[in-house]
Amino acid sequence: QLQLQESGPGRVKPSETLSLTCTVSGGSISSSGYYWGWIRQPPGKGLEWIASIYYSGTTYYNPSLKSRVTISEHTSKNQFSLRLNSVTAADTAMYYCARHRGYNFGLWGQGTLVTVSS
Amino acid sequence: QSDLTQPASVSGSPGQSITISCTGTSSDVGAYNYVSWYQQHPGRAPKLMIYDVTNRPSGVSSRFSGSKSGNTASLTISGLQPEDEADYYCNSYTASTTWVFGGGTKLTVL
Repeated sequence: QLQLQESGPGRVKPSETLSLTCTVSGGSISSSGYYWGWIRQPPGKGLEWIASIYYSGTTYYNPSLKSRVTISEHTSKNQFSLRLNSVTAADTAMYYCARHRGYNFGLWGQGTLVTVSS
Repeated sequence: QSDLTQPASVSGSPGQSITISCTGTSSDVGAYNYVSWYQQHPGRAPKLMIYDVTNRPSGVSSRFSGSKSGNTASLTISGLQPEDEADYYCNSYTASTTWVFGGGTKLTVL
């Protein structure tokens, strides 16, 4: 059974870079036809799609975050990661990784809370 | 890109039916049949309930159904049950090869 698990620092200082990793178990991130993505949710607010990467390596970004975000895959470790530069308090959120096939997010990790604070 | 528009809250009594709307544009909801719906209970990750407008993943109750007309998609829950109380989010693929979520709707089962 495929599972996703997010990992990373729970706290990041303003202006620094947030780095998160999603480890995939029970399946390969190189599987044909799948996208792997990141979605975030500020406390008490709604969901925001951040970025996705296709199994072929093609990347897709939310235009509002594109200048600060990089998504990448690490096939040898069966992981994919997110980097968000120049963070502010507005980037405080629960960050979820997810797998999608086609155009929906079918499988989610449990999420990891990242707080931006000095 | 702008969030899809959902009502902030809806409510219904057990056994009743409710419908949650999700309004976008001709560049997202209206452009493709790629609308999905997610249920989120407090402190939990979202769960896919409907995909490609009308399809239910395996294991999702048939009480959940989806539809679309023009730029507006809808999620209907029939025979409301207490465990249906949760936040619901719609999502659509867009003509810009991105994905966009709705602002979310809090469902209260009275």
